Amino acid sequence: GESVGLHLPTLSVQEGDNSIINCAYSNSASDYFIWYKQESGKGPQFIIDIRSNMDKRQGQRVTVLLNKTVKHLSLQIAATQPGDSAVYFCAENPQRGKLIFGQGTELSVKP
Amino acid sequence: ETGVTQTPRHLVMGMTNKKSLKCEQHLGHNAMYWYKQSAKKPLELMFVYNFKEQTENNSVPSRFSPECPNSSHLFLHLHTLQPEDSALYLCASSQDPAGIGELFFGEGSRLTVL
Repeated sequence: GESVGLHLPTLSVQEGDNSIINCAYSNSASDYFIWYKQESGKGPQFIIDIRSNMDKRQGQRVTVLLNKTVKHLSLQIAATQPGDSAVYFCAENPQRGKLIFGQGTELSVKP
Repeated sequence: ETGVTQTPRHLVMGMTNKKSLKCEQHLGHNAMYWYKQSAKKPLELMFVYNFKEQTENNSVPSRFSPECPNSSHLFLHLHTLQPEDSALYLCASSQDPAGIGELFFGEGSRLTVL
């Protein structure tokens, strides 16, 4: 069935280092992808999105890379801070009105 | 006011109880969603409403009954639930009913079924 997976369930980084969170998606028809951040006790919050006609998009301290050849998505966080500690989800939009989420990677930032 | 508000934040109910979860969005969006978030599992889409009409029912058991009286309000009525239904139920809204674009999530309603 359709699924979006993340390579690592947990990731621990040192404060100030760069973080890379990976995601593999399964549906070649997906044309839109989003990264969400969920802090403990809160709902998911939008971080950044990218359409399939792009391979890179940058935001404030975050960059999303899309490799359609291998159906791979990554989120890069520059100069990771303690406030970045959260669970990160990728999601794909394989058809109108449907967003499929991955399992999530828990990012821990060590001071 | 926050964008998407869910009540109650926590709910404990027995298997024979009937309760409802409420969601309200103050963003003027046209689409609203219910998601289920269980531990160690991806967010599962349950229902989608576009302009008050249900457009997606993702094979959800009938013990979950959604209601969308207007574009700003969404309910999830619960009856004769099972312990495995214990989870965080998230409401979301979006401007674009096609699901393209950001979903705005509420803080969720943590449900425990005893």
